[in-house]
Amino acid sequence: DIVMTQSPDSLAVSLGERATINCKSSQSVLYSSNNKNYLAWYQQKPGQPPKLLIYWASTRESGVPDRFSGSGSGTDFTLTISSLQAADVAVYYCQQYYSTPGTFGQGTKVDVK
Amino acid sequence: EVQLVESGGGLVKPGGSLRLSCAASGFAFSSYSMNWVRQAPGKGLEWVSSISSSSSYIYYADSVKGRFTISRDNAKNSLYLQMNSLRAEDTAVYYCARDLYCGGDCSQGLFDYWGLGTLVTVSS
Repeated sequence: DIVMTQSPDSLAVSLGERATINCKSSQSVLYSSNNKNYLAWYQQKPGQPPKLLIYWASTRESGVPDRFSGSGSGTDFTLTISSLQAADVAVYYCQQYYSTPGTFGQGTKVDVK
Repeated sequence: EVQLVESGGGLVKPGGSLRLSCAASGFAFSSYSMNWVRQAPGKGLEWVSSISSSSSYIYYADSVKGRFTISRDNAKNSLYLQMNSLRAEDTAVYYCARDLYCGGDCSQGLFDYWGLGTLVTVSS
């Protein structure tokens, strides 16, 4: 199975500041035949199910604010919240869907400083 | 509006069985692969099982293989998870999750809609 490792485990950012979460996979999730990275990001607020934010490493799901962006390729990926809002307090998970079983990172908790 | 509503969770003794259901509405259920994903209390997310739109492709996590069975009834817009030989480590909220549309009887393992979940507690 592909192991997904996120860093940091938690971070606190002032409102309006940038938040950056890293995700590293134990093997490449870039499929060479279509040049797509099989990497997604989810947001989970307390008491709620996860919500898909980004897939193909950098494609925002419909309705997701453009302050959320994804980048990276191969084994190293980043989720950036350009200007943190109070509504962004949540746990964020990366997930690879390159191979079965799809595996998630351990999660990164984002709070307001 | 896409809706996924899970039911069937509860308290069960180790070794017992439970059947979860997921009622889907607001989309063409028969065209989408579906999944079960679980989350132990205070823990992260774990994919459990997936089933393609026509039930041709079924996959399980190693942790549940041989004990859990996924199925669907496209006429009833419903997804199921039969859980047997339950263990304490199966205690979790079980989410029904829709797979991002892949254009055929296929599965991407990417989840664009989730239900609110149903809690399964395995304890004596």
